[in-house]
Amino acid sequence: GQNIDQPTEMTATEGAIVQINCTYQTSGFNGLFWYQQHAGEAPTFLSYNVLDGLEEKGRFSSFLSRSKGYSYLLLKELQMKDSASYLCAVMDSNYQLIWGAGTKLIIKP
Amino acid sequence: EADIYQTPRYLVIGTGKKITLECSQTMGHDKMYWYQQDPGMELHLIHYSYGVNSTEKGDLSSESTVSRIRTEHFPLTLESARPSHTSQYLCASSEREHNEQFFGPGTRLTVL
Repeated sequence: GQNIDQPTEMTATEGAIVQINCTYQTSGFNGLFWYQQHAGEAPTFLSYNVLDGLEEKGRFSSFLSRSKGYSYLLLKELQMKDSASYLCAVMDSNYQLIWGAGTKLIIKP
Repeated sequence: EADIYQTPRYLVIGTGKKITLECSQTMGHDKMYWYQQDPGMELHLIHYSYGVNSTEKGDLSSESTVSRIRTEHFPLTLESARPSHTSQYLCASSEREHNEQFFGPGTRLTVL
């Protein structure tokens, strides 16, 4: 079966750095997406990785290792507004997104 | 401004009612999707469309139907609502299959 695993909840301090991991097992691979979802709102796109390596976009970076079925999202200089759920999603061989349940990130002052 | 809209935002109805959730996008995207999401859980694909007159079932069709008569409009209909349909319904669109999906604000449905 297809499976996306990510931690249920993480806590970090304002101004710090946090890494959210995602491991996946899917039938085929056509890219991995990270989305941010604030409570009660719709997901918004953060990053897309299809090749191995690190993609940096401002305070957010995303890493992919296809051979290990592993990705992480790195958030730097954490702000209170970064408190949200972070969803990992993998596009399978049929170009359908398989979603993880999300990691709820709590930022403390 | 290009955007994606959903109505209603909240709906409370009784069991057995027929309802239609509306979704429209002004970005000219060919691909559109309907997802169901319970709190703290993953998104489940209900239906999707490649373009006008194209509709496909996802892994959770949940006794619902969709239509795609116009590029911008992708309504979802529940023929007979049940309490198990209580959830948040998210509509999304993308330019191409491997592009990011843009989501509407969602419809929170409660079936009594």
